[in-house]
Amino acid sequence: EPEVTQTPSHQVTQMGQEVILRCVPISNHLYFYWYRQILGQKVEFLVSFYNNEISEKSEIFDDQFSVERPDGSNFTLKIRSTKLEDSAMYFCASSEGAGLEQYFGPGTRLTVT
Amino acid sequence: GESVGLHLPTLSVQEGDNSIINCAYSNSASDYFIWYKQESGKGPQFIIDIRSNMDKRQGQRVTVLLNKTVKHLSLQIAATQPGDSAVYFCAALGPGYSTLTFGKGTMLLVSP
Repeated sequence: EPEVTQTPSHQVTQMGQEVILRCVPISNHLYFYWYRQILGQKVEFLVSFYNNEISEKSEIFDDQFSVERPDGSNFTLKIRSTKLEDSAMYFCASSEGAGLEQYFGPGTRLTVT
Repeated sequence: GESVGLHLPTLSVQEGDNSIINCAYSNSASDYFIWYKQESGKGPQFIIDIRSNMDKRQGQRVTVLLNKTVKHLSLQIAATQPGDSAVYFCAALGPGYSTLTFGKGTMLLVSP
C-alpha cells in the first residue's frame, strides 16, 4: 500500500541553525501539506502546496519557514533559523485533491537545543 | 474561525465493548470531517470520513455519526480490541479548502 515517508525520523539541532525536513508524498497525489504537533498537544496545520506553489498557510508559517518541491518526488520544509519553540513532531501529508482524505507520514521529531 | 474540540480526554473500556468517542465543531460551514487514529510515535492514520450531506457512514467495525443541528460528530468502534488503544482525533476541513483543523484528541485505553 502506498504511504508517505519522511526523513529523518529524529533531528536534533542548535537554536539558530537551519533545518530541512524531507517528505516523499504518495506518488499520484497532487496536494501536499505540513503539520506540526507539539508534545501533548493537537496537530496544527502549517501549509498546503499545490501546483508548485503554496495554496494556504497558517499564522505559524512565518518568514522563517519555506517549502519546496525540488524534484518530482520530494517535498521539503525548511526552517531558516530554528527557535526552541520549534521543537515538535512535524508531519507531512498528501492527498489526491483538495477536500479529500489526507494521508500522513510517520513524522520527524525536531529537537532544538 | 474553526475550532474542533473533544468531550473526554481519556476513555477506558474493556475488550469487546463498544466505544464511542465524541467531538464538537464550531463552524457550521464545515462540510467534511475525518477521524484519525494516532498510535504512540506514529503519524495520524486515516480511519473514516464523512461529508455534511450524510448523517452516518460505516466502515469495518467503525461508524461515524454526524449531527449538523448540534454540530456534533461521533466515532463508534464495535467490539473494541487492545489494538484499538490510541489517541483519536477528529478533524474538520477548514478554514480554507485544503486545511484540516484538529481537535485535541481522546485517548482510548482498552484493557483485556
